[in-house]
Amino acid sequence: GEDVEQSLFLSVREGDSSVINCTYTDSSSTYLYWYKQEPGAGLQLLTYIFSNMDMKQDQRLTVLLNKKDKHLSLRIADTQTGDSAIYFCAETDQTGANNLFFGTGTRLTVIP
Amino acid sequence: DGGITQSPKYLFRKEGQNVTLSCEQNLNHDAMYWYRQDPGQGLRLIYYSQIVNDFQKGDIAEGYSVSREKKESFPLTVTSAQKNPTAFYLCASSIDHGGTEAFFGQGTRLTVV
Repeated sequence: GEDVEQSLFLSVREGDSSVINCTYTDSSSTYLYWYKQEPGAGLQLLTYIFSNMDMKQDQRLTVLLNKKDKHLSLRIADTQTGDSAIYFCAETDQTGANNLFFGTGTRLTVIP
Repeated sequence: DGGITQSPKYLFRKEGQNVTLSCEQNLNHDAMYWYRQDPGQGLRLIYYSQIVNDFQKGDIAEGYSVSREKKESFPLTVTSAQKNPTAFYLCASSIDHGGTEAFFGQGTRLTVV
């Protein structure tokens, strides 16, 4: 079955870059996603990358995909205190159900 | 404004009681989902529905039940058979099953005492 792994915690200083890493097992996933969850709230889609791409940039966010190593990363430039949240990596389940399969989430703490 | 609404935000129940969590969407989405979130774990899929009057079990369906009588609504019942029901429950919808973006509600925190 699918296994999506992330580190549980990351702390950075305000203004620095944050890099959140994710490894996944299903190389046939069509899309890979990053979701953000603020305290006590639901998840919000931040960005996604199609599996035939190796990089996607959207303002302060850069997603890098290494299909060979099954490694996905999210870089947040100029990290702000408002970026403090839990970030989830997700892939689509390729068993036929096509559901999202989430990692454990990385709690990003931005230190002023 | 279009969106997906869960209610209530906080719910307390006594052990042994069934409880139903509400999820409503006005996005005209065909697919709806229920996830459970526990500390230090990712979201785990309980049930999903691709279309009205149809639903499928997810990875942890035991002790839960759902219905999908209307496109807009996908209520989740946590039954007394669920051994560890205290958790944060998230409902989501997408335009179709496997769609690019899932929209999430704000969640319901269920505490069973």
